[in-house]
Order: sequence, then C-alpha cells, then structure tokens
Amino acid sequence: NAGVMQNPRHLVRRRGQEARLRCSPMKGHSHVYWYRQLPEEGLKFMVYLQKENIIDESGMPKERFSAEFPKEGPSILRIQQVVRGDSAAYFCASSGRPLMTEAFFGQGTRLTVV
Amino acid sequence: ILNVEQSPQSLHVQEGDSTNFTCSFPSSNFYALHWYRWETAKSPEALFVMTLNGDEKKKGRISATLNTKEGYSYLYIKGSQPEDSATYLCAFKPIGSQGNLIFGKGTKLSVKP
Repeated sequence: NAGVMQNPRHLVRRRGQEARLRCSPMKGHSHVYWYRQLPEEGLKFMVYLQKENIIDESGMPKERFSAEFPKEGPSILRIQQVVRGDSAAYFCASSGRPLMTEAFFGQGTRLTVV
Repeated sequence: ILNVEQSPQSLHVQEGDSTNFTCSFPSSNFYALHWYRWETAKSPEALFVMTLNGDEKKKGRISATLNTKEGYSYLYIKGSQPEDSATYLCAFKPIGSQGNLIFGKGTKLSVKP
C-alpha cells in the first residue's frame, strides 16, 4: 500500500509563472489536507478537501492559490503568478476519516521561485 | 491567535540517555493533541493522537502525557538511540477546526552514539 505520493519533489519556477503541485492520497483515503512550511516556520494549514469538495480553506491566501480534489486523479494545489514569497515546502496529508484523524503525510514538494 | 510552543528548540544527547520535551498549547477549546516524528528527507510520521486530560500513551520507548487543563504535553524517550534522531512536532486541534492542525516548530533531537 503506497503512501501519500507528492510530485514533483522539487519545483523551480520563475516569478510570474504557475506552479502545480500534485498529491495522490493513500489508497482508500478520501480526505486530503495541504500544509505549507515557510523557512524557519512550522507547518501551516492551507486547505482541507474531500472528493470534489473544499471543506475548509481558511488557511489559503485569498489570491493566486487554489486547490481541487477531483473525483478521479490526484489533488492539485495551484499557485498562479508565483512570487518569491511562495518559496516553501508544501506538504499533503490524507486520511480515511475526517478531521485529520490518523492522517499520513507525503514527503512534500519544495517550491523555489527565482 | 492560537499558538503552539515547543521547547527546547534542539537537544543533543548521548545514546542511552532518557530525554523529554514540552509542547504548550491553548487550554481552551481543546479537541486533540497530535505528536509527529519527522526524519530529515522523509514524511512526518504520526506517533500519538491524544484527546483526554490525563491521557498517557506509549509506543516502544516513546511515551507522551497530556494535561488539557493547563495546556501542555510531554514527550518522553527512554534510552535514546541514534535512530531516534529526528524533529518531534506537536500539533493542537481546537474544537470546530475541521482539518486545521496548529503545529509547533518542533524539537530537533540528535542522539550521538
């Protein structure tokens, strides 16, 4: 049973480009959570999705960031017109039950904006 | 603003030493407290989810206690081994927060052989 898979592991984007981060949850898991770790900071919640629904996006920046978890395929975190301040490690977690119960994390995508 | 504090920031011990770290969190609106172990270049791995005041959980040489009334949790490692070297994160889940865990910055443990 493969764990939570995130890709790419490393992503370099120029300012103004779009970044797409993918997260395939563990088999059988329908709850996905995205967290971001800025340099020298702890993990910060961004968004919680269940298949085809956004449950809680209270941690998402209001502009340029969006997330989806379609019926088929991975969850996608999309950052439009990236800026240097978006450089961070983005982690995805999944669980078979709601509310971050027994959640498993992926290895993260490290985004560098140049 | 809800804040989770962990201390110390880092810790260096010798193999065989027992050690403990602290996680402080808001004592109101408590729902759960999570502990994670995070090795470099790997995923954070869940250790414990604690929900009841006075709860004590154990996994091998690692154990944790919880005091929700005063807002703290201790993580203990008995007889540290080099493979215990990792960053230990705690995360507070308030009532009604959906998927939002509020993480501390972690305690980085290094165990020298």
